[in-house]
Amino acid sequence: EAEVAQSPRYKITEKSQAVAFWCDPISGHATLYWYRQILGQGPELLVQFQDESVVDDSQLPKDRFSAERLKGVDSTLKIQPAELGDSAMYLCASSSEGDVYNEQFFGPGTRLTVL
Amino acid sequence: AQSVAQPEDQVNVAEGNPLTVKCTYSVSGNPYLFWYVQYPNRGLQFLLKYITGDNLVKGSYGFEAEFNKSQTSFHLKKPSALVSDSALYFCAVRDRNAGNNRKLIWGLGTSLAVNP
Repeated sequence: EAEVAQSPRYKITEKSQAVAFWCDPISGHATLYWYRQILGQGPELLVQFQDESVVDDSQLPKDRFSAERLKGVDSTLKIQPAELGDSAMYLCASSSEGDVYNEQFFGPGTRLTVL
Repeated sequence: AQSVAQPEDQVNVAEGNPLTVKCTYSVSGNPYLFWYVQYPNRGLQFLLKYITGDNLVKGSYGFEAEFNKSQTSFHLKKPSALVSDSALYFCAVRDRNAGNNRKLIWGLGTSLAVNP
């Protein structure tokens, strides 16, 4: 069964350092999402891509966060510099262009701890 | 403003008993409604969705949900709970008129604990 891949699964870093997360969506899925989930809360959409284009990045803290999907397939989310408040689970999801009902498939997530 | 409310932070049920996890929503138009489940240290897994048609939707693992337009609710149900159902459950909604922006509005989640 096709899955969304994410790496690393866990990342520990010190504040002010740079971190990067990688996501490989299900093959053929045009839409890719990055979410941040703080423990005990629901997912917060950071950025949504349609192919290589950003559809929604209104909640992305652009002073320190950046995301790219250069070839419209896999994607990288970067934080520079990391702050203590960035500690969270970062989830990647994808959905098919043909699925107008927006069923999203999630990866296992990357748990970030900033010390 | 669009929003989703899950009024219970935690639900406790005994194994074998029926369970209900509540969700109400507020959107400007007609909604697409979703339930996802999250097991510890895992990503979210899709359970079921309401698009149109029959108000009772059946999903994975024996779960079902009932869409009630007049009460703007989409409660998740299961006739007989299992200990393995213990997890975090999220309700999400999308305005079907949102076009290319497929942003889901998420509830804060309800922690379900099924006691043996």
